[in-house]
This record gives sequence, structure tokens and C-alpha cells, in this order.
Amino acid sequence: AQKITQTQPGMFVQEKEAVTLDCTYDTSDQSYGLFWYKQPSSGEMIFLIYQGSYDEQNATEGRYSLNFQKARKSANLVISASQLGDSAMYFCAMREALLTQGGSEKLVFGKGTKLTVNP
Amino acid sequence: DTAVSQTPKYLVTQMGNDKSIKCEQNLGHDTMYWYKQDSKKFLKIMFSYNNKELIINETVPNRFSPKSPDKAHLNLHINSLELGDSAVYFCASSQEQAGHYNSPLHFGNGTRLTVT
Repeated sequence: AQKITQTQPGMFVQEKEAVTLDCTYDTSDQSYGLFWYKQPSSGEMIFLIYQGSYDEQNATEGRYSLNFQKARKSANLVISASQLGDSAMYFCAMREALLTQGGSEKLVFGKGTKLTVNP
Repeated sequence: DTAVSQTPKYLVTQMGNDKSIKCEQNLGHDTMYWYKQDSKKFLKIMFSYNNKELIINETVPNRFSPKSPDKAHLNLHINSLELGDSAVYFCASSQEQAGHYNSPLHFGNGTRLTVT
């Protein structure tokens, strides 16, 4: 069974500094994808970044980057130059490869990390 | 141009009532989902539909009945509401392709259900 672990219930960072949010996962599959979502206090779920299990380079999207260490089964999110608007819940999630067309592989979420950016 | 829209945004009702949440996506995706987020912010899948066909049905009480009239719509009907049903319910969609796992889910803004 899939499992996502986010060990940091809450994190604090000073504005303009970088912060790393931890995520470890457990799967016996070789093919899987890892996702990070942001949920601000307004409640919507915003997709941030994706990393595939066969991707050789770490994913980057603007100020977001993913520190992917496959052997350790970790996919940490790095936010550079934190902004006040980055204060939110951050969720790590994983899905395994879809086996057949017409099916669906569920996205399994971790419990989230609440990030607070201080001015 | 809302991609995944769900209504209502807030739903307050009494125990024992029946209520529905509607969801529509205009992304052309073939797979839609319902997720439940509890008071501790944990997100758990409830159902998944692919082209109107039920694919995933997690251990959800049968008081919850999803209905997909077409691949752009997935509604959630809840009978005999209980206090424990209070949560935020998210609809989501994605484009699935066999052998792939890189399709992100696009979420609606959520429906906050409060059962009193």
C-alpha cells in the first residue's frame, strides 16, 4: 500500500529565506509520480510541482524545486526566497502508474505541513 | 474560466437530511474524483469515475452515492447526514493515460459541509 509521510506538522521561515518541506514515501512500484500541492487559508488546492520516478533531474518550477532522492524514497520541496503569500498548508502526494486505460490510480496524500512565513 | 467548479461552497444542514454537491469540469478530462478533507486537513479519496464509470470506491458508507451523468459532471449525494460527515469535500479531475502517472489532479474550491 502506498504511504506518504510528512514529519513536520508546522514550519516557520523568515521572509526571503529558503525552506525545505520533507516528504518520504513508500511504494514497491518502480513507476510512480510525486506531486506537491499548496492549500492557502482560502482553501483551494493548488498544484505546484511534479517529479516522475524515472526523471533524472530534479523538477523545478519558479521558486519551487524538488529534491528527489530515489534511493532514500524522499521528495522534499524546496521553496526559495520565501514570501508572505507562501504561508499555507503543503501536501505531498503520490500516484502509481495506471495499468489499463479506462482505470484510475488514486493520488494518495500525506498529512501536510503548515508553513508560516514571518516578515 | 473556472476549470473545476463545485457548488455550493458552503452547506449547513441538520442531521438526517439529504444533500447534494455538484461538480463540473471544463478541462475535457475523462476522470473525476471526490476527496474528503477532515478537520485535521487529511485528504482521502472517496470515489473515482472514468468516462461515467465508477472505478474507485473506497470504504465509504453507502449513504454517499456519486452520480456521473456525463464525463464532465460528477455529483455527490449524501443521505441521512450525520455529524461525522462534517468536512470539506473536494471534486477533482485529471486526464488519465495507461502506463502514465504524471497527470496532476485539478481540484475544485471545495464544499464545506457542516452538519448540526
